[in-house]
Amino acid sequence: GAGVSQSPSNKVTEKGKDVELRCDPISGHTALYWYRQSLGQGLEFLIYFQGNSAPDKSGLPSDRFSAERTGGSVSTLTIQRTQQEDSAVYLCASSLGQGKQPQHFGDGTRLSIL
Amino acid sequence: AQSVTQLDSQVPVFEEAPVELRCNYSSSVSVYLFWYVQYPNQGLQLLLKYLSGSTLVESINGFEAEFNKSQTSFHLRKPSVHISDTAEYFCAVSDQDFGNEKLTFGTGTRLTIIP
Repeated sequence: GAGVSQSPSNKVTEKGKDVELRCDPISGHTALYWYRQSLGQGLEFLIYFQGNSAPDKSGLPSDRFSAERTGGSVSTLTIQRTQQEDSAVYLCASSLGQGKQPQHFGDGTRLSIL
Repeated sequence: AQSVTQLDSQVPVFEEAPVELRCNYSSSVSVYLFWYVQYPNQGLQLLLKYLSGSTLVESINGFEAEFNKSQTSFHLRKPSVHISDTAEYFCAVSDQDFGNEKLTFGTGTRLTIIP
């Protein structure tokens, strides 16, 4: 497809389980970003990838959160031992990464922790 | 560090009336400025951006925003709104740092158009 694709669109899981969220960026976009949107915190930056490396992980809220990117394309955000406060919409965005380029967002994954 | 303030969390406006959504930012470095729109159950869509040059930028659907450096503002305006403009609007900034263009967002303004 032409846009950023995220899966699943919705995920419900029990507290303490691990979850994996997937992002397929726009083809050719070298920069990839993860954000979290929650009622209490608004929109927050989590992590930035340039190619397969992550020069900025400053937004990850705890060591239960990790992310990787392979082949300069697909990225996976993993949350271990989920807590109720992890409930949020997780948004992925990609850009050409050449400066001044706007980010294109996916529709997000709505994560609910029971 | 950067911050973005959107003072109005909700703005109700009658159809065909003008609207202004306010955005102020704080940053120790030069920034790029953006407005994103989010329709229900969808991701964010770029509405318009200021990178450099003319301080007045326009979108294809009639919105405009003006960068005011002295007032550190980037207010969004539309002279006549339509029902389809009902959405949440987010103002955002990023450093003028080649490479890492992570966005810092405001808390959003929910625009409701009254028929």
